Amino acid sequence: NAGVTQTPKFRILKIGQSMTLQCTQDMNHNYMYWYRQDPGMGLKLIYYSVGAGITDKGEVPNGYNVSRSTTEDFPLRLELAAPSQTSVYFCASSSPDGGWEQYFGPGTRLTVT
Amino acid sequence: AQTVTQSQPEMSVQEAETVTLSCTYDTSESNYYLFWYKQPPSRQMILVIRQEAYKQQNATENRFSVNFQKAAKSFSLKISDSQLGDTAMYFCAFMKPNSGGSNYKLTFGKGTLLTVNP
Repeated sequence: NAGVTQTPKFRILKIGQSMTLQCTQDMNHNYMYWYRQDPGMGLKLIYYSVGAGITDKGEVPNGYNVSRSTTEDFPLRLELAAPSQTSVYFCASSSPDGGWEQYFGPGTRLTVT
Repeated sequence: AQTVTQSQPEMSVQEAETVTLSCTYDTSESNYYLFWYKQPPSRQMILVIRQEAYKQQNATENRFSVNFQKAAKSFSLKISDSQLGDTAMYFCAFMKPNSGGSNYKLTFGKGTLLTVNP
């Protein structure tokens, strides 16, 4: 199993540009999450999903959108990128069968200039 | 809303010694999960240990163990025989798994940077 994969690993965006961060998991987990990690801080939840077709906002959803058309994929869309969105983004998945351990992807470092 | 507090931004320990990282949390729930995650310089988030609130016995995983004090809402991590590879940021996290709404998500503390010195 590859676990949770994220692409790209690094990206530099100009202010106002848009992009999609890709996330795929091969563990058949229903629950998936997007977090952002700012320097010296813990992770903050952006959006989460409890299954295909079901998404909901986390703590810091402004400026982002998500979709969940399949169990495996949970892309995060940034519209009109702003410097405040410079961060490291992590995707994760979990299942009650696994004791709710969240499996994390390797992260995407995004810089908006 | 649940909050998680890690009061030690940085700690250091000599190789082979023991170190304890502190974590407190605030919740009105009785059933929940607590986790310690490790984030080495590679940035990968790795689960270290997990504790279910209804279990009185403290969880252990090899050199890692917790001191779970439910009444005090405290969840400290003890690392024995520290190794250079333990150098990382350590995050304490809380999750309430029941019911709908915005559950099933992890609430993280701000982390403790642990440095193991040779």
